[in-house]
Amino acid sequence: DGGITQSPKYLFRKEGQNVTLSCEQNLNHDAMYWYRQDPGQGLRLIYYSQIVNDFQKGDIAEGYSVSREKKESFPLTVTSAQKNPTAFYLCASSIGVASYEQYFGPGTRLTVT
Amino acid sequence: DAKTTQPTSMDCAEGRAANLPCNHSTISGNEYVYWYRQIHSQGPQYIIHGLKNNETNEMASLIITEDRKSSTLILPHATLRDTAVYYCIVRVQETSGSRLTFGEGTQLTVNP
Repeated sequence: DGGITQSPKYLFRKEGQNVTLSCEQNLNHDAMYWYRQDPGQGLRLIYYSQIVNDFQKGDIAEGYSVSREKKESFPLTVTSAQKNPTAFYLCASSIGVASYEQYFGPGTRLTVT
Repeated sequence: DAKTTQPTSMDCAEGRAANLPCNHSTISGNEYVYWYRQIHSQGPQYIIHGLKNNETNEMASLIITEDRKSSTLILPHATLRDTAVYYCIVRVQETSGSRLTFGEGTQLTVNP
């Protein structure tokens, strides 16, 4: 089955630790995205990548980092510099950045205490 | 990208049509209207999009007013599984820097 996988579904970390969220897609999509969602709010774009070895900051990139070494993978690292890291993190992909449809993964709920 | 305004919540009876409005009075000529929905604790799902003509697919219909300042998403026969947050988004379809900006959307509750 083609799709986007994010693991784990729930993640718990202590404050001050960096944590990396996984996102893998087998849709052969060029573009990939990371969003953050807080309770009762819409999604906010953290980073996006149009192609391997290239990525751009979204609206709330501070405290986050990404890499795109392979087409299929776009991991997100939540660093200790992120002031409020507890949130629901969603990864998405699309054929290209101009594509009308983004396909979303099931999300990772990160709790930092 | 133009801003959108949607009601915070709506209710609909199962089997009836659900009509979800969206205002986008500052939309420009090259901006498309997109609809996504998000079932609780899942990733959003694309529903439909359009520029100025009405559109229909297997999930829904999109009606865009002639002046393009508002649109309505229609789910013709709502089921309990249609309970979700529905996002109306306007976006220029461009080759770089393109992004979907999700507002708070409309919580649609389909009641039995």
